[in-house]
Amino acid sequence: DAKTTQPPSMDCAEGRAANLPCNHSTISGNEYVYWYRQIHSQGPQYIIHGLKNNETNEMASLIITEDRKSSTLILPHATLRDTAVYYCIVTYTDKLIFGTGTRLQVFP
Amino acid sequence: DAGVIQSPRHEVTEMGQEVTLRCKPISGHDYLFWYRQTMMRGLELLIYFNNNVPIDDSGMPEDRFSAKMPNASFSTLKIQPSEPRDSAVYFCASSLVPTRSPYEQYFGPGTRLTVT
Repeated sequence: DAKTTQPPSMDCAEGRAANLPCNHSTISGNEYVYWYRQIHSQGPQYIIHGLKNNETNEMASLIITEDRKSSTLILPHATLRDTAVYYCIVTYTDKLIFGTGTRLQVFP
Repeated sequence: DAGVIQSPRHEVTEMGQEVTLRCKPISGHDYLFWYRQTMMRGLELLIYFNNNVPIDDSGMPEDRFSAKMPNASFSTLKIQPSEPRDSAVYFCASSLVPTRSPYEQYFGPGTRLTVT
């Protein structure tokens, strides 16, 4: 699986968009980009995934660059409940390998 | 559906004792995963099953750990004998692998294990 690089922490004001970057420069053609998040003391939660195209669901948007070497998860209107660790995972197998993620702190 | 169910939610035991963690996956899901999370090592995949058959146990730390899935609705992770360094939160996850979203896993609430 491709290695991913994420900033260790980010802050975001409540109501503003949170943009979480992920670098995956060694991604191969058949690997998906997945985003999960883990709110304190809870199990990880699936957010969104993509292969080549940008994706949007009720939780977030995923923007993947044309060369697929990086992506950005966008939470359009962050709330305090979005405070969590966000994991970017690149895989084509059954296994999810979680890195250290980005700790997002949303403040009032 | 109630989601992935794990029991117990908290377990405190003494070193040397046997510990059994239990997991009920979401009905109809054909994959089941066991993870361990610690501050030092983060979230690690221990073992996973497909249709009740162990597929990859390369993450199991040592022979003291064993996992079984006797049927599609139940799995156990056993540690015998337990050691203080086994203290962690253990998560179970399950998934159904459709073409569109093959790696969407649903996690349980976890079991917090403390070995004294």
